[in-house]
Amino acid sequence: QMQLVESGGGVVQPGRSLRLSCAASGFSFSSYGMHWIRQAPGKGLEWLAVIWRDGSNMLYGDSVKGRFTISRDNSKNTLHLQMNNLRVEDTAVYYCVRDSQSTEFKHWGQGTLVTVSS
Amino acid sequence: QSALTQPASVSGSPGQSITISCTGTSSDVGAYNYVSWYQQHPGQVPKVMISEVTNRPSGVSNRFSGSKSGNTASLTISGLQAEDEADYYCGSYTTSSTWVFGGGTRLTVL
Repeated sequence: QMQLVESGGGVVQPGRSLRLSCAASGFSFSSYGMHWIRQAPGKGLEWLAVIWRDGSNMLYGDSVKGRFTISRDNSKNTLHLQMNNLRVEDTAVYYCVRDSQSTEFKHWGQGTLVTVSS
Repeated sequence: QSALTQPASVSGSPGQSITISCTGTSSDVGAYNYVSWYQQHPGQVPKVMISEVTNRPSGVSNRFSGSKSGNTASLTISGLQAEDEADYYCGSYTTSSTWVFGGGTRLTVL
């Protein structure tokens, strides 16, 4: 059974950093690209970042480019999101999502809540 | 990377059909047939209902269908049921090899 479990969320002050992790199991992690997608409370979905299956390339959404870094450790089946210089508007549930056969997002974790507040 | 444009809300009575539009640009919706639709009930993870504009994943009711014309994609739900009440999001792959979502549409079944 494929599973994605996010961790690392919590309450953090503006300007500080936080690192999210996503533990993958039940599939060949190194065979798939991985994404981070977030959803602010009561708001819509926002795509943040993708990393190629071998970690050779990463792409970001405009709102997080230069502040967030996506990375992966295929030896540990783990995806990360390093979030620096956090802002109040970064408050959201952060989802780890696996690539599908095409471009849709079929496989989601349950999410981890990040609250940026002073 | 501007969000795709969806109506904030739509409503319909049981048994009726509704259509939700998703308008983008020639760099996203209009560029490829890589538009997908997601259903999200409160407190749940989004579920893909349509992929590649028209494809319905296994297990999704055939009451859900998708289409596209130019830079606008559409999701149609026929034979509305109470369980269809949810938020719906469109998403598109872009010419920058990134993804973009719509702002979401709240469907109310009257």
